[in-house]
Amino acid sequence: QKEVEQDPGPLSVPEGAIVSLNCTYSNSAFQYFMWYRQYSRKGPELLMYTYSSGNKEDGRFTAQVDKSSKYISLFIRDSQPSDSATYLCAMTWGGSNYKLTFGKGTLLTVNP
Amino acid sequence: DVKVTQSSRYLVKRTGEKVFLECVQDMDHENMFWYRQDPGLGLRLIYFSYDVKMKEKGDIPEGYSVSREKKERFSLILESASTNQTSMYLCASILDRARPYDGYTFGSGTRLTVV
Repeated sequence: QKEVEQDPGPLSVPEGAIVSLNCTYSNSAFQYFMWYRQYSRKGPELLMYTYSSGNKEDGRFTAQVDKSSKYISLFIRDSQPSDSATYLCAMTWGGSNYKLTFGKGTLLTVNP
Repeated sequence: DVKVTQSSRYLVKRTGEKVFLECVQDMDHENMFWYRQDPGLGLRLIYFSYDVKMKEKGDIPEGYSVSREKKERFSLILESASTNQTSMYLCASILDRARPYDGYTFGSGTRLTVV
């Protein structure tokens, strides 16, 4: 079983839709959960992070962590064509540990 | 804005060649990383460095080496390029790896094709 599983999609939605992106993981030691966004021909950039369980909201984006189910989600409200990108989840157990474990990424297209 | 600059956007090399991929960051970050990104496999860590002249193997170091002679520069070396090293290579940096939530800063990548 891979440490982090993420459906690669692709996912295509109309503008204004609510998008749900998800990852599951197997390592219960993970404490920091991040979402990166990667535009075509660019490197990933940090979108949001959550520590341990709970929700975090930033504008149209909400990150959720359910540690009991080992499941994390990113919700995008009122999706825009500019949200079209690959979204990667990433996680680590923090401290001095250097290693981020990434999901494979989900390709999202928001159609005008 | 922290910038991570990768010297080449596209490279085509022949099998058996020695290949150097260069990465420079301009914000005095201690930690630098090399990843490769492949469809269906995601991002995989090749090597990282937490200080000048220091390096540690990542998940897939075989066939690669690295060099960090100066803090701002981290080079990935393919000793003898092979076709299975055709990939997108991404360099990243972060000031403090104990604060992963600060976010890694990635370069735009080098797409290497080995023929």
